[in-house]
Amino acid sequence: AIQMTQSPSSLSASVGDRVTITCRASQGIRHDLGWYQQKPGRAPKLLISAASSLQSGVPLRFSGSGSGSLFTLTISSLQPEDSATYYCLQDYNYPRSFGQGTKVEI
Amino acid sequence: EVQLLESGGGLVQPGGSLSLSCAASGITFSSYGMSWVRQAPGKGLEWVSAIYRDGNTAQYADSVRGRFTISRENSKNTLYLQMSSLRAEDTAVYYCAKDLDGNNRYLDSWGQGTLVTVSP
Repeated sequence: AIQMTQSPSSLSASVGDRVTITCRASQGIRHDLGWYQQKPGRAPKLLISAASSLQSGVPLRFSGSGSGSLFTLTISSLQPEDSATYYCLQDYNYPRSFGQGTKVEI
Repeated sequence: EVQLLESGGGLVQPGGSLSLSCAASGITFSSYGMSWVRQAPGKGLEWVSAIYRDGNTAQYADSVRGRFTISRENSKNTLYLQMSSLRAEDTAVYYCAKDLDGNNRYLDSWGQGTLVTVSP
């Protein structure tokens, strides 16, 4: 099974900061990766599909990049509403696997 | 508007069984792959199972294979998860989710979750 390793596990930043979260796959997964945002008590929300495709309605300050085994989620200018836990999920093969999550505090 | 509504969660004893349902509306249900994802209290997300649009192919996490069965009834717009031989570590909120474009990738709509508690 593919292991997804996210870093950091948590971070604290200020409004307006640029934030980068990394997800590393234990083997190449092409660009078959999604990024999800989860706020406490809520279901996850898909932000980015296929490593870099921003979903409709997601603010442009979110972006994704990478392919193969290394991926990044960047928030260009952190906003208060971005306080959440972020997860990557590989969609390359089964069983699917999530990263362990990155908690972003503001 | 897509709506996914899970039901069937509750308290069950170790070794017991439980069946979850997920009723979908606002979509052509048969056009999308569906998945179950769970989250233990205070923990991260864990992918559990997925089923293709036609219901003929299912996939499972190693942790539940042989104990859980995913199925769907397209005529009723409903997804199911039959869980047996439940363990304490199966305690979690269970979410159903639909895929983005019918290819069993990228979960773009999620239900609100249903809590399953496995305890004596």
